[in-house]
Amino acid sequence: GENVEQHPSTLSVQEGDSAVIKCTYSDSASNYFPWYKQELGKRPQLIIDIRSNVGEKKDQRIAVTLNKTAKHFSLHITETQPEDSAVYFCAASRNKFYFGSGTKLNVKP
Amino acid sequence: NAGVTQTPKFQVLKTGQSMTLQCAQDMNHEYMSWYRQDPGMGLRLIHYSVGAGITDQGEVPNGYNVSRSTTEDFPLRLLSAAPSQTSVYFCASSPDRTNTGELFFGEGSRLTVL
Repeated sequence: GENVEQHPSTLSVQEGDSAVIKCTYSDSASNYFPWYKQELGKRPQLIIDIRSNVGEKKDQRIAVTLNKTAKHFSLHITETQPEDSAVYFCAASRNKFYFGSGTKLNVKP
Repeated sequence: NAGVTQTPKFQVLKTGQSMTLQCAQDMNHEYMSWYRQDPGMGLRLIHYSVGAGITDQGEVPNGYNVSRSTTEDFPLRLLSAAPSQTSVYFCASSPDRTNTGELFFGEGSRLTVL
């Protein structure tokens, strides 16, 4: 089956700095790559996604890039704010979702 | 719309007991699934369904049963609970049965097996 690896496991940045989280996947047939944000004690919620026919997607301060050849995709958050503090999960899907192990982002005021 | 509703939110079981986690959605989604979340391991798929009467196994199906008799409901059954099943369980649904669309998660059910 698919194997999704996510790095780093924890990330601490100063407010206003950028944060980058990286994921790799093993199944070249995976064609959908979402990112979910989970605040403490809450349910995961989709923040951005990208499909295999697109290389980059932006939504305000959040962007995702996909390199199909290298089988990796990344989440970029610019101008981080304290409310960005949460656990972020990447996932890869062909006919099932496989999630990374998560990155705990801490934005220091 | 209430979205995805899970019950109970918390449950403590003794080893060997059985129980059912309930999941209901009112968005007419065909795809429903169950995940377990353990520290440092992300979300792992237990079972999923692409429509009423259809279920299939995910990554970690052992010890769990599911059924899908209606579009709205997708219960998860633990037949004989084990301490290794202590976890937070999330039900999720999607309007996209091909698994290339947004997952809508319930609030989660925290299960402790003693």
